[in-house]
Amino acid sequence: KAGVTQTPRYLIKTRGQQVTLSCSPISGHRSVSWYQQTPGQGLQFLFEYFSETQRNKGNFPGRFSGRQFSNSRSEMNVSTLELGDSALYLCASTRGGGDQNTEAFFGQGTRLTVV
Amino acid sequence: KNQVEQSPQSLIILEGKNCTLQCNYTVSPFSNLRWYKQDTGRGPVSLTIMTFSENTKSNGRYTATLDADTKQSSLHITASQLSDSASYICVALTYNDMRFGAGTRLTVKP
Repeated sequence: KAGVTQTPRYLIKTRGQQVTLSCSPISGHRSVSWYQQTPGQGLQFLFEYFSETQRNKGNFPGRFSGRQFSNSRSEMNVSTLELGDSALYLCASTRGGGDQNTEAFFGQGTRLTVV
Repeated sequence: KNQVEQSPQSLIILEGKNCTLQCNYTVSPFSNLRWYKQDTGRGPVSLTIMTFSENTKSNGRYTATLDADTKQSSLHITASQLSDSASYICVALTYNDMRFGAGTRLTVKP
């Protein structure tokens, strides 16, 4: 079965622009989480969506937002881009349902470069 | 404060040798601990998931241990291969939070 798909793989934007990233989870998975990965900060949790509702949120400014559609696909939006937003953005899908021991499957990530 | 500390930061070993990576965590309440392998430019791949009641779990040449009393975990790689070159990330979960370690960058040389 298909894995987690993130699009686009690479993106270059200029400061001040906004960007939308997409994540299609594994079929049957209802939870999608987003992460930012930078060399200096490592992996940091952005937010998690389950059944179209934001269930958890990390410590990121309001410029970072997301949503989830009825088919569990999720999008993440970053507005007013800053140079520091350059990072690998990863999404992970799980079955959801509150089972803490369920395995999370990551996508390949979207490499965002802000110039 | 919920934290995960990994050591060493980086490690270089020769092909065929064994190595052990360390993870100390302070998350509370603790739910489970995971080890991920991340190849350069790719997403992390799960190696092991352990709850507080599990002491050890293996996945091929990878063996993870967990001591919930001392809040320490280790990942042991046996008979390393060139393909083991990657970052290994320790993740500690509470019931509503995930804390990531900074990772250990492992390089296996021929």
